[in-house]
Amino acid sequence: DARVTQTPRDKVTEMGQEVTMRCQPILGHNTVFWYRQTMMQGLELLAYFRNRAPLDDSGMPKDRFSAEMPDATLATLKIQPSEPRDSAVYFCASGSGTGNTEAFFGQGTRLTVV
Amino acid sequence: GENVEQHPSTLSVQEGDSAVIKCTYSDSASNYFPWYKQELGKRPQLIIDIRSNVGEKKDQRIAVTLNKTAKHFSLHITETQPEDSAVYFCAASGYSTLTFGKGTMLLVSP
Repeated sequence: DARVTQTPRDKVTEMGQEVTMRCQPILGHNTVFWYRQTMMQGLELLAYFRNRAPLDDSGMPKDRFSAEMPDATLATLKIQPSEPRDSAVYFCASGSGTGNTEAFFGQGTRLTVV
Repeated sequence: GENVEQHPSTLSVQEGDSAVIKCTYSDSASNYFPWYKQELGKRPQLIIDIRSNVGEKKDQRIAVTLNKTAKHFSLHITETQPEDSAVYFCAASGYSTLTFGKGTMLLVSP
């Protein structure tokens, strides 16, 4: 059963520290999304990659967030420095084709910044 | 960019009743409209989707309707059961990003 894998599942860190979240998309999928989920804002798109190229990161605070795909099997989302308002669940999702197909979500990373 | 509005934010029904969740979108180029169900503490999972070349799709107790002219689509759940309790998200996509509504918390009481 192919699944999107995210690590870590939970992360508690102090304000100002760097946080790195990792995602392994489903093998063969060429589209990767990063979403942030909060009670107030729902699922907010942070970044979107197709064939490892970033196509849309307009929803991502550029001063502290960065997203990359070093290779087809790994996507990363970094926050440096982290702030308490970054506390949320971060989901990675992958899909195939041109983007208008099902997105398969990972289990999410629950981030708490204290 | 695309903007998706979803209503209601919460919905409480009795077991056996029907539930309807409505969404509107802004980008007329959007042509793919999935619905996701997220149980507490779990990942969102696709339950049904519809493309712009059809107006209605049904899968057992779940149906989705699409009105491209009015730019709105709806999820219909019939004969609701307690295990239907979850947060439901609609989404819209063209040939790029997938934009989600803010979700509807559905509570089905026995």
